[in-house]
Amino acid sequence: SYVLTQPPSVSVAPGKTARITCGGNNIGSKSVQWYQQKPGQAPFLVIYYDTDRPSGIPDRFSGSTSGNTATLTISRVEAGDEADYYCQVWDTSADHEGVFGGGTKLTVL
Amino acid sequence: QVQLVQSAAEVKKPGSSVKVSCKASGGTFSSYTFVWVRQAPGQGLEWMGRVVPLFHTSTNGQNFQDRVTISADESTSTAFLDLSSLRSEDTATYYCAAYSATSGGLDYWGQGTLVIVSS
Repeated sequence: SYVLTQPPSVSVAPGKTARITCGGNNIGSKSVQWYQQKPGQAPFLVIYYDTDRPSGIPDRFSGSTSGNTATLTISRVEAGDEADYYCQVWDTSADHEGVFGGGTKLTVL
Repeated sequence: QVQLVQSAAEVKKPGSSVKVSCKASGGTFSSYTFVWVRQAPGQGLEWMGRVVPLFHTSTNGQNFQDRVTISADESTSTAFLDLSSLRSEDTATYYCAAYSATSGGLDYWGQGTLVIVSS
């Protein structure tokens, strides 16, 4: 089955840029989604189709993919961005089953 | 805009079964695919499977081929997750989520249902 690898944690100071990576074999050929999850809450879609933002998601959130790595970039980080972030793809070799990365805890210093 | 409301938390004995429901409102039920995702305490998200009401089909995730049944009732706009032969490792929050044919990802999420398996 397809495997996505994320760093367990990323730390960033307020106002700086956070980059959260998601590694997978030839992930650049897949559609990547990113979800934000705050403690005690359900996940929330922040990026879909690699780079698109649902309505209401600020443009500080952006996504990109290249080769074997997808990246979620959060610019001008705010305290409210502190959360767990998960990448997700559709595994076309497994009947389009969804696959999640292990998640990354973003800490705002 | 679809709202998903899940059933209340449950405490179950090992070996028993649990059925979690997810009622949808605010959209056309058959326009969506409903997915179940679970999250063990302090852990990440795990795909369990999906149901497509329009085609009356369901697919279990690779890690849930035997103990999971996912279904939908269009008459009540409700999706269901049945998990049998419960063991302590099944203690988790179970989320339903939904996406449409034009969605890139899981646009809508329920509030989650905590299932505790304990003797």
